[in-house]
Amino acid sequence: ETGVTQSPTHLIKTRGQQVTLRCSSQSGHNTVSWYQQALGQGPQFIFQYYREEENGRGNFPPRFSGLQFPNYSSELNVNALELDDSALYLCASSSPGLPETSTDTQYFGPGTRLTVL
Amino acid sequence: AQTVTQSQPEMSVQEAETVTLSCTYDTSENNYYLFWYKQPPSRQMILVIRQEAYKQQNATENRFSVNFQKAAKSFSLKISDSQLGDTAMYFCAFMKPPYDKIIFGKGTRLHILP
Repeated sequence: ETGVTQSPTHLIKTRGQQVTLRCSSQSGHNTVSWYQQALGQGPQFIFQYYREEENGRGNFPPRFSGLQFPNYSSELNVNALELDDSALYLCASSSPGLPETSTDTQYFGPGTRLTVL
Repeated sequence: AQTVTQSQPEMSVQEAETVTLSCTYDTSENNYYLFWYKQPPSRQMILVIRQEAYKQQNATENRFSVNFQKAAKSFSLKISDSQLGDTAMYFCAFMKPPYDKIIFGKGTRLHILP
């Protein structure tokens, strides 16, 4: 069973640019959630995708957008980057099911560190 | 709206000691999950333990156990026989199943001293 993977590991962009982050979900999981973690803070929910549809969104502007593909991998796109977008971006995968299976627990990838200059 | 509060920003204990991390939460939901996640310097968020609110029995995973007090909305993590590898940021988290987002506390930085 493969875990959640994310790419790239880190990247540096300048203000105003656009960025795409990628996430491959754990085998058997059909739900991907994205979180932003600023330095020294807990992660904040950006949005969630379930079977290729957005299934909930946090308090983030529309320049944060996403996609989920038929193989359940996902992308996070951020347009018009701002300095405050500098953060660790975490992807988590899960699969809604019976509580006994614990598949609805979200398992996290290693994250992508984004620095905006 | 649900909130999660961790009142201990930082803690230090000697190796082999027992340490308890505190967490309180606020919700009007009856069915929910609570988690403790660990984030070491490598930054990978690792699930430590999970508790379903409908279960009265406290969850246990090896050296890790919780004290879940549903009426008091309290969810503490006890680490027994602490090890150097337990040094990390620990986040208490709440989720309403099955599809909802996770709400995290601000974290407790735990240092295990040799």
